[in-house]
Amino acid sequence: AQSVTQLDSQVPVFEEAPVELRCNYSSSVSVYLFWYVQYPNQGLQLLLKYLSGSTLVKGINGFEAEFNKSQTSFHLRKPSVHISDTAEYFCAVSGPYSGNTPLVFGKGTRLSVIA
Amino acid sequence: DAGVIQSPRHEVTEMGQEVTLRCKPISGHDYLFWYRQTMMRGLELLIYFNNNVPIDDSGMPEDRFSAKMPNASFSTLKIQPSEPRDSAVYFCASIIGGGGTEAFFGQGTRLTVV
Repeated sequence: AQSVTQLDSQVPVFEEAPVELRCNYSSSVSVYLFWYVQYPNQGLQLLLKYLSGSTLVKGINGFEAEFNKSQTSFHLRKPSVHISDTAEYFCAVSGPYSGNTPLVFGKGTRLSVIA
Repeated sequence: DAGVIQSPRHEVTEMGQEVTLRCKPISGHDYLFWYRQTMMRGLELLIYFNNNVPIDDSGMPEDRFSAKMPNASFSTLKIQPSEPRDSAVYFCASIIGGGGTEAFFGQGTRLTVV
């Protein structure tokens, strides 16, 4: 079975500072990895995804994530955050659909950007 | 396409009443998911369907919860009878199968049971 662990439930950071949101996954098969963002009172929307190829993936709003197979991690980073990045971020994993839940989410990390 | 559409956006009901949440997935998507989100428990998968067939309902908390998908364009999540601890935001999401594809979420239904 697949699972996702987001190591931090809340991350406060000052505006223009860098941030890293950590995500580890477990799976017995090859996986696809995702980061979703949820702004207040909205549904989740895709930030970026890793399917194959280059381990560094760039997404919207200046975010990027790096897939590390040996450490089973997919950490999300941004070099300089803005107030508008305040939101909840979810890491997710999916794999072959047969016998596996198609999409498994972590519990989320609440990013609070402080002016 | 207008995206995944959920209704109502907000629902306030009294304990013991029946509540029905509705979802219209994106046309052509063959998977549909129902999630519940609370501060305490985060985002929980309740049930998902593939081609209108329920595949895994192990996340449904109790027999008071039931979900149906009578056709490819409509699904319901019903709670009967409702209890205050059911208060949460319920999301519906749809995906097109094949692996590695993006899930599209509705705006959610905020349910308050008083």
